[in-house]
Amino acid sequence: DGGITQSPKYLFRKEGQNVTLSCEQNLNHDAMYWYRQDPGQGLRLIYYSQIVNDFQKGDIAEGYSVSREKKESFPLTVTSAQKNPTAFYLCASREQGAPYEQYFGPGTRLTVT
Amino acid sequence: ILNVEQSPQSLHVQEGDSTNFTCSFPSSNFYALHWYRWETAKSPEALFVMTLNGDEKKKGRISATLNTKEGYSYLYIKGSQPEDSATYLCAFPYYGQNFVFGPGTRLSVLP
Repeated sequence: DGGITQSPKYLFRKEGQNVTLSCEQNLNHDAMYWYRQDPGQGLRLIYYSQIVNDFQKGDIAEGYSVSREKKESFPLTVTSAQKNPTAFYLCASREQGAPYEQYFGPGTRLTVT
Repeated sequence: ILNVEQSPQSLHVQEGDSTNFTCSFPSSNFYALHWYRWETAKSPEALFVMTLNGDEKKKGRISATLNTKEGYSYLYIKGSQPEDSATYLCAFPYYGQNFVFGPGTRLSVLP
C-alpha cells in the first residue's frame, strides 16, 4: 500500500534536547511538507521541499531544521531553539501539478517537558 | 500571511440532521480551494478540490459549493451519520503549491 508513515506516534523529550521526527513516503511524490498543529489553530507550514536536496522555510521555521537527501524521506529536527515545541506534527506529500491534493501521514505528537 | 477562516469552530448535530459550514478565503489571486476531512486518530483525507467559481462537487451525502468572487465555500452534509464526525479543514493554495489551512470545523454527530 502506498502512503506516508511517521514515527513515532508519541514522543517525549526533555527541554534542551534536539529531537528528530521521521517522515517516509512511497508515493513517488516530489513535494513534501511539514505542518504543526496547535489547539484551535489551523495547520501551519514549517518547511517544504519541492525536490531532493532543496527545501524552503515555511511560515514558522524558526527552531526547526530539515533535510531532503532522498525523495522518500523528509525528517524534521526540532531543536532546543524552538521556544514552544510541544505540538502535533503532520507530514504531507503531493504530486507535482494540479490539483495539488496533499496526502498526509498519521502525525507525531511531541511533548517537551 | 493569508488568512483562511472557518465557521463555526464546532458543531453538534443529531443523527439524520443536515448541516453546513463555511470557509472564507482571500478572493484575489484565487487558484483553488481544498476541503479535507480529518477523523480522530487518522490522517486528513482530501474531500474536494474546487477550482471554478460556481463549482459544486458531491461525494455521497457531502457536497460543496464555491464562490470565488466573494471568497467563500460551503460544505453541506445531508442526513448526518455518526461516521461523519470529524474535523473538516479547508485549505487555500498560494503560488499554486503551498497551502494556508483554516482552523477547521469540528463536527460531532450524536446517535
